[in-house]
Amino acid sequence: AQTVTQSQPEMSVQEAETVTLSCTYDTSESDYYLFWYKQPPSRQMILVIRQEAYKQQNATENRFSVNFQKAAKSFSLKISDSQLGDAAMYFCAYRSGRTGNQFYFGTGTSLTVIP
Amino acid sequence: NAGVTQTPKFQVLKTGQSMTLQCAQDMNHEYMSWYRQDPGMGLRLIHYSVGAGITDQGEVPNGYNVSRSTTEDFPLRLLSAAPSQTSVYFCASSYSEGRWEKLFFGSGTQLSVL
Repeated sequence: AQTVTQSQPEMSVQEAETVTLSCTYDTSESDYYLFWYKQPPSRQMILVIRQEAYKQQNATENRFSVNFQKAAKSFSLKISDSQLGDAAMYFCAYRSGRTGNQFYFGTGTSLTVIP
Repeated sequence: NAGVTQTPKFQVLKTGQSMTLQCAQDMNHEYMSWYRQDPGMGLRLIHYSVGAGITDQGEVPNGYNVSRSTTEDFPLRLLSAAPSQTSVYFCASSYSEGRWEKLFFGSGTQLSVL
C-alpha cells in the first residue's frame, strides 16, 4: 500500500493570511494522481484540488494552489487570503494511475482560521 | 440529485451484535468503496467493488463483509461488532473522466460499539 504522510495534525492561520499544509508520499510509481480533500464539520468530503504526477505545472484553483515536488515526493497545499469557511480538516490523498481506483489518504490536518 | 446515500447516520451497537450499513448511489457508477475514519488515522479503505458481482479487500477488511448484487447498492456488514470498530464510516462511488477518477462521498455513518 502507498503511504501518505501529513506531519501537521493542527494548523492555524489569521483570516486573510496565507497558510501552507504539508504532505509527503511514498511510491515507486511514475504515473499517479494527488488530491487535497476538505472535510468541514458537516463531515462531507469536498475535493479542493488535484494534480497529475506527469504534469510539471502546479495546479491552481482560485485561492488554492499546490507545490508539487515530484523528486522529493512532496505535495503541499497553499491557501491564500484565508477565509473563515476554510476552517476544516484537510486530507491529502494518492491514487495510482496503474492499479486504478484505490485512494490512499493521509491522517489529516485540522485548520483553524482566526478572525 | 441524491448522489451517494448512506443509512443510518448514527448507530450504537453492543459487542457481538451484527448490522448492515447501507450505501446506495444513483449515478450509475461502477466503482464503489467503503472507508473508515479514525482520529489520527485518516481514511482507510475497507472493501471496494469495481462492478456488480465483483468485490475485493482494501487495507483493513477484517471483521467486515460486502456484496455487490446491483450497480446501485454496496452494503457493508459487521458480523460481530467489536469496540475496535467504533468509527465513522464513509461510502464512496466514482467514475472515470478521461484520466481522472472523480470520487463522490456519502455523508458518513457514526458507529459506536459498546
